[in-house]
Amino acid sequence: EAAVTQSPRSKVAVTGGKVTLSCHQTNNHDYMYWYRQDTGHGLRLIHYSYVADSTEKGDIPDGYKASRPSQENFSLILELASLSQTAVYFCASGRLGGRTGQLYFGEGSKLTVL
Amino acid sequence: SQWGEENLQALSIQEGEDVTMNCSYKTYTTVVQWYRQKSGKGPAQLILIRSNEREKRSGRLRATLDTSSQSSSLSITGTLATDTAVYFCATEVNNYAQGLTFGLGTRVSVFP
Repeated sequence: EAAVTQSPRSKVAVTGGKVTLSCHQTNNHDYMYWYRQDTGHGLRLIHYSYVADSTEKGDIPDGYKASRPSQENFSLILELASLSQTAVYFCASGRLGGRTGQLYFGEGSKLTVL
Repeated sequence: SQWGEENLQALSIQEGEDVTMNCSYKTYTTVVQWYRQKSGKGPAQLILIRSNEREKRSGRLRATLDTSSQSSSLSITGTLATDTAVYFCATEVNNYAQGLTFGLGTRVSVFP
């Protein structure tokens, strides 16, 4: 069974603080993704990676950094958290990117910025 | 945006009824995937349909794809309360490494 685990599952942060969301996959997949989910906006791609030590910008990268230190781990970093970054964040992994490939999602990290 | 406005919907139905949700997209794709997201969980793939398939079935699920109108549908027959979820369609993007782009979703509530 494909497995993507995220931590923390829930976090409250203060405006201007640093937040790191972590993701670990045991699927041996090359591709990993961070999506943001907001009501009315569906899932939007923030950053993605197809190889360790390399990350790419997605559709809404502003205010976010990503880190892929190994094939299994992919982190999302908010250096200066803002109120507008309150959302649920999902990590996903996949074998062939989007082409015919299924994405496996974690259970999400709910971030509240106060 | 890749998606038509009808992609954001909410449907309430009685258990046992059939339901169909639609998805229209603007950019050509060779694959449409449907995902289900239950409350508090991440999305999970239900079914994948390719451009050379007009219809695909999996258990109580039936997906269709019409590349000429750039639309897809997902039908669930004999719904159960456990089918309550948000259903997303998803297509590939031009840069396939970017994974999938997701529609806004259809919220389906099935009442006993």
